[in-house]
Amino acid sequence: ETGVTQTPRHLVMGMTNKKSLKCEQHLGHNAMYWYKQSAKKPLELMFVYNFKEQTENNSVPSRFSPECPNSSHLFLHLHTLQPEDSALYLCASSRAHRAAGNTIYFGEGSWLTVV
Amino acid sequence: KNEVEQSPQNLTAQEGEFITINCSYSVGISALHWLQQHPGGGIVSLFMLSSGKKKHGRLIATINIQEKHSSLHITASHPRDSAVYICAVRAIKAAGNKLTFGGGTRVLVKP
Repeated sequence: ETGVTQTPRHLVMGMTNKKSLKCEQHLGHNAMYWYKQSAKKPLELMFVYNFKEQTENNSVPSRFSPECPNSSHLFLHLHTLQPEDSALYLCASSRAHRAAGNTIYFGEGSWLTVV
Repeated sequence: KNEVEQSPQNLTAQEGEFITINCSYSVGISALHWLQQHPGGGIVSLFMLSSGKKKHGRLIATINIQEKHSSLHITASHPRDSAVYICAVRAIKAAGNKLTFGGGTRVLVKP
């Protein structure tokens, strides 16, 4: 238990569906992250939110839409995805993105399959 | 060429053996992380270090900043150590906590 909870753990969706991934952290952190892990590829940073403001978008296609209503919750809204978007999506949090030297805490991940 | 390279990609050991995983990077860094990812997907941070050596239980992490190299050692390995071990670096030029990840080393410890 790392204090970062992701739901659902597994999701299968069609290319025309709209779904959302949810992340919640109980650590009092101010920075939250979405990472993508595809098969046989290193983790890739997708988005960074610092004090509820998006500070980084790593050239992510618009079919992925993040939302951060408060410092404890982060969503990833999914719309018209492609089969190549099938991957493990990991949420993480840390004290503050600008302060280097903070440990990052990861969630268990959401396994997404696009059919 | 990735900025962070790990070796080996896969490693199989017998229970009790000493295991070493290597990480080399090509940029100046402010910190290096060793992470453990179990088959279910979740990632746990094992170490964050910027110099020298750290030890936690049977795990030891070392870093040589001049040589841009870090190693993770597992002493008296156990089947529950079976996981993917990931090296990640925070480049000096990167903002805040932005990390660059290695491809991971898949470790299997057989009983």
